[in-house]
Amino acid sequence: DQQVKQNSPSLSVQEGRISILNCDYTNSMFDYFLWYKKYPAEGPTFLISISSIKDKNEDGRFTVFLNKSAKHLSLHIVPSQPGDSAVYFCAAKGGSNYKLTFGKGTLLTVNP
Amino acid sequence: NAGVMQNPRHLVRRRGQEARLRCSPMKGHSHVYWYRQLPEEGLKFMVYLQKENIIDESGMPKERFSAEFPKEGPSILRIQQVVRGDSAAYFCASSPTRGETGELFFGEGSRLTVL
Repeated sequence: DQQVKQNSPSLSVQEGRISILNCDYTNSMFDYFLWYKKYPAEGPTFLISISSIKDKNEDGRFTVFLNKSAKHLSLHIVPSQPGDSAVYFCAAKGGSNYKLTFGKGTLLTVNP
Repeated sequence: NAGVMQNPRHLVRRRGQEARLRCSPMKGHSHVYWYRQLPEEGLKFMVYLQKENIIDESGMPKERFSAEFPKEGPSILRIQQVVRGDSAAYFCASSPTRGETGELFFGEGSRLTVL
């Protein structure tokens, strides 16, 4: 049972344009949603998060939007840079639970 | 390097052998988590430990897998009698608190290949 879904395995955008990565979830008990970025042969690194009581969180070029009614969140990167090319994992946790549930990831390629 | 340190980075074992993966958390972090990533999959929670205690091992396979985090030294994930299906990347993460916000610091992973 996949509680966190990233339906796009890959995404390709031009440098300077906006990248939009999407994530859907099924568990209403999730209270934090996070995006992790992973380069090949490295571990995931935390990028940005959002609490379920908010609908937007912004950090520099990265913005995460949460639509609770649709159980959907998205990560916007603008402007996209070649160094942003990586696998992006959507993750969620619920209540006092410390476990993260990850999606399968989306490979973002930013072309110069 | 003040980050989460994992070793070995790559490990090759034949079926039936044992694999030991080690993880030293970031300085000041006493909470350690192990996640496994199978090919083409997301990371899956395995176990959560604090010094000398296993807090939650609900993600660990019932047999052959064990984890510890002794008072001194790194956390160790041990896989006995490995099978081909154990081939995966094993990531260790740490946090200074119980991870209430979900922000974890991951190591670079140990990639296990079972021949």
